[in-house]
Amino acid sequence: TQLLEQSPQFLSIQEGENLTVYCNSSSVFSSLQWYRQEPGEGPVLLVTVVTGGEVKKLKRLTFQFGDARKDSSLHITAAQTGDTGLYLCAGGVTSAGNMLTFGGGTRLMVKP
Amino acid sequence: DTGVSQDPRHKITKRGQNVTFRCDPISEHNRLYWYRQTLGQGPEFLTYFQNEAQLEKSRLLSDRFSAERPKGSFSTLEIQRTEQGDSAMYLCASSLQGGTSTEAFFGQGTRLTVV
Repeated sequence: TQLLEQSPQFLSIQEGENLTVYCNSSSVFSSLQWYRQEPGEGPVLLVTVVTGGEVKKLKRLTFQFGDARKDSSLHITAAQTGDTGLYLCAGGVTSAGNMLTFGGGTRLMVKP
Repeated sequence: DTGVSQDPRHKITKRGQNVTFRCDPISEHNRLYWYRQTLGQGPEFLTYFQNEAQLEKSRLLSDRFSAERPKGSFSTLEIQRTEQGDSAMYLCASSLQGGTSTEAFFGQGTRLTVV
């Protein structure tokens, strides 16, 4: 059974601060996605990483896939109140039909 | 095409009743997935289709659950004899088979409350 553990589970910071969310597993994934989810809505895809060591930037968000494709991190620079939400990492294995295994999520609150 | 569409958005039902949810995937996507998410948790995989074939079912999917994708386009998820433990957000996602990416796009979900 593949498991993804996210940390921290909750994060409350002031606007302008930086933060990092971690996603760890003992399993290797073909690719890893990061999603953001608002209350009562479905997850919205932020980024997909497929190559070990890959780094992708999306404005103030930086995503990294571990060299061994077992872990990932999301770094937000100068957080804004609009970044508030639930951040989910999800890993998939191509040979297993690409079903996604999700982490438990990190609930981020950015205070003004 | 505006993305994955789910209907209804919210459903309140009495324990023991049957419910059916519908998912319309992104039109060119041949894979369709169902997930369930309970409060404070990440989504959990239930089942997936490639075209009209149901290729995988999770152990979470009890005998009371059945999913179909008859023409390889939209899908339905039916829950028979609902129980309070079935209360959750039911999410549908679609993706295009191929390559190494498992990129999947989700609908807005159907929130089921069993009273």
